[in-house]
Amino acid sequence: DGGITQSPKYLFRKEGQNVTLSCEQNLNHDAMYWYRQDPGQGLRLIYYSQIVNDFQKGDIAEGYSVSREKKESFPLTVTSAQKNPTAFYLCASSIPRQGSWANVLTFGAGSRLTVL
Amino acid sequence: GENVGLHLPTLSVQEGDNSIINCAYSNSASDYFIWYKQESGKGPQFIIDIRSNMDKRQGQRVTVLLNKTVKHLSLQIAATQPGDSAVYFCAENRRTDKLIFGTGTRLQVFP
Repeated sequence: DGGITQSPKYLFRKEGQNVTLSCEQNLNHDAMYWYRQDPGQGLRLIYYSQIVNDFQKGDIAEGYSVSREKKESFPLTVTSAQKNPTAFYLCASSIPRQGSWANVLTFGAGSRLTVL
Repeated sequence: GENVGLHLPTLSVQEGDNSIINCAYSNSASDYFIWYKQESGKGPQFIIDIRSNMDKRQGQRVTVLLNKTVKHLSLQIAATQPGDSAVYFCAENRRTDKLIFGTGTRLQVFP
């Protein structure tokens, strides 16, 4: 079945450590996204990529980094520069909007990061 | 659930009743709207969408209404079931690749 796989589902990190969250999709989607979800808030966009080897900052990119070396993969690194990294992280993908209004995102199951 | 808001607006309905979840969007230039459902421990799932040139769209047990005059979107769920319990998000799209998500509403269904 096609879908998006995020790993790990739960991750604990000590302050000052970098961690990388994995996101893999087999939907053949060109665009991929990383969102952060905090209690009482909507999803906030961290980074997105519309094509391999290209990505753009979202609304809250500080303290995060990404790479897009393969179409299927879009890993997110939470660096020690991120001051409040404890959150639920969601990866998504879509067929990018090409003259059409449709832009439905397909989400993974999420990764819960807790900083100790 | 662990991954959704602890202080979200909550709608409690009895099983079998109809549910109406509301959403106010921010930009009159938005031309596409989506409703997502997020169950505890899972990522959001697409429910239904609507273009700005429409006022109403129906799916299976769900209906989305769009009122552009007051920038209001609603999701109606008919004959609500326990499996409908989740957090529901609306999202708006402004002809870019970025969706803007609302904060969500928790739907609780009791027997």
